[in-house]
Amino acid sequence: QVQLQESGPGLVKASQTLTLTCTVSGDSLNSGSYYWSWIRQPAGKGLEWIGRIYAGGSTNFNPSLRSRISMSVDMSNNQFSLKLDSVTAADTAVYYCAREVGGDCYFDSWGQGALVTVSS
Amino acid sequence: DTQLTQSPSSVSASVGDSVTLTCRASQDINDWLAWYQQKQGKAPKLLIFLGSSLQSGVPSRFSGSRSGTNFTLTISSLQPEDFATYYCQQANRFPYTFGQGTKLEIK
Repeated sequence: QVQLQESGPGLVKASQTLTLTCTVSGDSLNSGSYYWSWIRQPAGKGLEWIGRIYAGGSTNFNPSLRSRISMSVDMSNNQFSLKLDSVTAADTAVYYCAREVGGDCYFDSWGQGALVTVSS
Repeated sequence: DTQLTQSPSSVSASVGDSVTLTCRASQDINDWLAWYQQKQGKAPKLLIFLGSSLQSGVPSRFSGSRSGTNFTLTISSLQPEDFATYYCQQANRFPYTFGQGTKLEIK
């Protein structure tokens, strides 16, 4: 059974870069059937899709964040990562990594979530 | 972006009741809709995908349907563990979007 686990700093200063890593166990990033996504949720609010990456490195991003996002994969450690530049208080949220079933486009496995707070 | 509007925003029901939650898409999304359940402090859990397909391991009291751009999630015979917030998500086109959620509370 696949498991996903987010890791990274819980506190980031405004204007700096937020970096999160998702470690995948029980499945290979290179399995070919899945995309690997980031989704966030501000406290008390709904879910926002940030973007996704495929094992080969191709990406799709939410246009609202595209200018500040980059994603990468590390096959040797079975991890994928998110970088979000120039953060503000509006980027404070719980960040989830999730596995998207390729072709059917739904998220069947999620990490537990990582709270990232942007401080001034 | 494709907007998803969920109704009601909150609903109260009793154990054993049947409830229907609605998600309306701002444009045709075919069957590219999933439903998730989220409990406080936890990650969302997939219930339904492709409009009406039940995810493996999800009880059969959960069902999904579609009529045009309107989608419904029905929970029959509510159980105590069903009280949570429910989100719909579309994957017809980028960016993927979610509804604002429906909170199902115990009456």
